[in-house]
Amino acid sequence: GQQVQQSPSSLVLQEGENAELQCNFSSTATQLQWFYQSPGGSLVSLLSNPSGTKHTGRLTSTTVTKERRSSLHISSSQTTDSGTYLCAIETSNAYKVIFGKGTHLHVLP
Amino acid sequence: NSKVIQTPRYLVKGQGQKAKMRCIPEKGHPVVFWYQQNKNNEFKFLINFQNQEVLQQIDMTEKRFSAECPSNSPCSLEIQSSEAGDSALYLCASSLWTGGREQYFGPGTRLTVL
Repeated sequence: GQQVQQSPSSLVLQEGENAELQCNFSSTATQLQWFYQSPGGSLVSLLSNPSGTKHTGRLTSTTVTKERRSSLHISSSQTTDSGTYLCAIETSNAYKVIFGKGTHLHVLP
Repeated sequence: NSKVIQTPRYLVKGQGQKAKMRCIPEKGHPVVFWYQQNKNNEFKFLINFQNQEVLQQIDMTEKRFSAECPSNSPCSLEIQSSEAGDSALYLCASSLWTGGREQYFGPGTRLTVL
């Protein structure tokens, strides 16, 4: 089965609304990163958060390691937030990073 | 922001042709990863290096794909005989270490095999 599952798969919001994205993973993660992928394909690292809560700008990530889940909260969404948000983990027994399929976010003006 | 450089950004090849793409990792990052992202947004790990040594690679990579990270030169990923199913976005990432370190991604090379 898929090791990293993200929900929802797509989300449409009005500008100014908040977004809550979820990531569940089936293996113990030594590292967890949230990425933003633009429509052109470039990946930008948003937050690295293997445990606890981290903030940067309008983004807040909370990872509960024991429950193998992480969330990404985007407050006061803007049209420029539209794109794909990917959750990725690195497990203790592999060097590679395992990605979820992403949440496609569309923020309407 | 990431300083991983990938070239070319777009690559178009015919079936059976060689396709080569390059990656310059962030300065000081000894670990380099290659991933393939298909049209369904699924990422597939291909291979990774620590300095010039291969750490891990998948079977697919061992057959038609070759990769290297020579010292003082860009890393490269080459597909010996491209197939239509190889059309994808190829992403290179670098990291300070393999376990528990952040990975920084380049913009990717979008390969189209006609």
